[in-house]
Amino acid sequence: KAGVTQTPRYLIKTRGQQVTLSCSPISGHRSVSWYQQTPGQGLQFLFEYFSETQRNKGNFPGRFSGRQFSNSRSEMNVSTLELGDSALYLCASSWARAGGIYEQYFGPGTRLTVT
Amino acid sequence: TQLLEQSPQFLSIQEGENLTVYCNSSSVFSSLQWYRQEPGEGPVLLVTVVTGGEVKKLKRLTFQFGDARKDSSLHITAAQPGDTGLYLCAGAPGNTGKLIFGQGTTLQVKP
Repeated sequence: KAGVTQTPRYLIKTRGQQVTLSCSPISGHRSVSWYQQTPGQGLQFLFEYFSETQRNKGNFPGRFSGRQFSNSRSEMNVSTLELGDSALYLCASSWARAGGIYEQYFGPGTRLTVT
Repeated sequence: TQLLEQSPQFLSIQEGENLTVYCNSSSVFSSLQWYRQEPGEGPVLLVTVVTGGEVKKLKRLTFQFGDARKDSSLHITAAQPGDTGLYLCAGAPGNTGKLIFGQGTTLQVKP
């Protein structure tokens, strides 16, 4: 099976702009989660989508939003970009194995730089 | 707020040495996953532990889940330069796709 793919891999934006990142999960995986990784804060959970519904949400401002399509592909959007939004954005897909455990498989990430 | 404290943050050792990375929390997790991340790439899943007291081995890596499912450890025997990387523990608060990550341990193994 093909792994999780994320596009674009690199992005440079200016403060105040908005950006949309895309994630294609592993075939058959219905859960897609998004994380922000920075040197200071590490990996922080943004949100999880399952069957087109947001199932979990982290502690990020409303400028961060996402959605999931019927084919499980997901997008996340960041509006009114700030310098502090510069980070590696990681997408992970998963499915419920025995016992209801979700093992997550990560994409390579999108490196966003805000200038 | 659930937190995972991972230690040490940095570890630089010689090839052939043994090491242990710890992951501690005051919260109970339904499962705990260990990942390894290389620069410029996403984390790669190494193992998932589910049952309190569970021990899993992956070649020279041994993973343990605490009896109370609040803590975990990763032990590497006879470390090799190829083990160099960022090791991350992540706890699942429930049976969903949400993970709480520790801060990570950067391991450097010198030949």
